[in-house]
Amino acid sequence: EPEVTQTPSHQVTQMGQEVILRCVPISNHLYFYWYRQILGQKVEFLVSFYNNEISEKSEIFDDQFSVERPDGSNFTLKIRSTKLEDSAMYFCASTRGFQETQYFGPGTRLLVL
Amino acid sequence: QKEVEQDPGPLSVPEGAIVSLNCTYSNSAFQYFMWYRQYSRKGPELLMYTYSSGNKEDGRFTAQVDKSSKYISLFIRDSQPSDSATYLCAMSALPGAGSYQLTFGKGTKLSVIP
Repeated sequence: EPEVTQTPSHQVTQMGQEVILRCVPISNHLYFYWYRQILGQKVEFLVSFYNNEISEKSEIFDDQFSVERPDGSNFTLKIRSTKLEDSAMYFCASTRGFQETQYFGPGTRLLVL
Repeated sequence: QKEVEQDPGPLSVPEGAIVSLNCTYSNSAFQYFMWYRQYSRKGPELLMYTYSSGNKEDGRFTAQVDKSSKYISLFIRDSQPSDSATYLCAMSALPGAGSYQLTFGKGTKLSVIP
């Protein structure tokens, strides 16, 4: 069964460093999402992406964040200058069509020191 | 007022019990309702997806939506130790502003004791 994959599974970085989190959505899916989950808290929406542009973004998704689909398979989330409060689990999700169910990857655990 | 409220538990039941998990919401724009299961340090896994009010059954799982009360439920029959996980409700709106994103409840941690 096709699934969303994410790399790396864990990343430790120093505050102020740039990180890139990578996702490979399910191959025939067209809508892509990033969510984050701070330990013990809700899963929170960050951004949605369709047709090579951002469809929606939350208040969390400020200028430090960017997303890109550099080729036909990868979808990346870049955090330009990490802060301690960026420490969280980051999930990528994808859907085939609008309003279809979102399938989540296993997540990348980011720890900012 | 928080958009989606879900009792975080923890909820502990004996094997074979019927489990009832619930969420309430305040935003009338929510029209699509999902239940996800999340094992520790893993991604959410879709269990049930519903649109209309009423019941939807899939094996041991039944999802119930009452839009008039802004209340959704997930029932698990004949619960098994493998059902031990955190259950997240999630919702999204009709096409328009805010429609792409899922809004999650905090999750209810369930333990099924053998």
